[in-house]
Amino acid sequence: GENVEQHPSTLSVQEGDSAVIKCTYSDSASNYFPWYKQELGKRPQLIIDIRSNVGEKKDQRIAVTLNKTAKHFSLHITETQPEDSAVYFCAAHHRSTDKLIFGTGTRLQVFP
Amino acid sequence: ETGVTQTPRHLVMGMTNKKSLKCEQHLGHNAMYWYKQSAKKPLELMFVYNFKEQTENNSVPSRFSPECPNSSHLFLHLHTLQPEDSALYLCASSQDRDRGNTGELFFGEGSRLTVL
Repeated sequence: GENVEQHPSTLSVQEGDSAVIKCTYSDSASNYFPWYKQELGKRPQLIIDIRSNVGEKKDQRIAVTLNKTAKHFSLHITETQPEDSAVYFCAAHHRSTDKLIFGTGTRLQVFP
Repeated sequence: ETGVTQTPRHLVMGMTNKKSLKCEQHLGHNAMYWYKQSAKKPLELMFVYNFKEQTENNSVPSRFSPECPNSSHLFLHLHTLQPEDSALYLCASSQDRDRGNTGELFFGEGSRLTVL
């Protein structure tokens, strides 16, 4: 069925450390994988996305990797800062139903 | 930034009340969505409108009734809700919704609904 699993549900890191969030999807035909960031009391906003024809994408301190064989993708944040504290949602476009399926979210806390 | 605006931001209603949530987008997008966000659950897609036509009703109970009078406005009419319907309701828009081509979703800040 349609399912995106996301781990961990909470993550606490010291400022300057790296953070990694992992997601696994079920539909092998999925072709689009966005990541959204939702700060407390704010709207979710797209921070990075990757399509199935590439294995990695970087944008300054954030990067996303995709392993199509294993059906998992990860968000990497380097040199974390307190303003990175938020809930991060992964999603996978479920091609057979044309739906964007979200994970359950990871609450990241970056301590100064 | 007021790309997608939702009102009201907070709503408390009894189970017998009728209320509506409103969403407006100023981005020139053709697709609009309602999502439900509950604690510790994934974002749940409720309804999709593409060029004002409802293209998806994700098995949502009939006590939720969407309306899309034009591609800039989306409503969610609420009637005889249950306490378990309490959640944050997020509106979103995207450029369009071609099959197989999902673009960026632009979310509103949500309407926090509490059903007593």
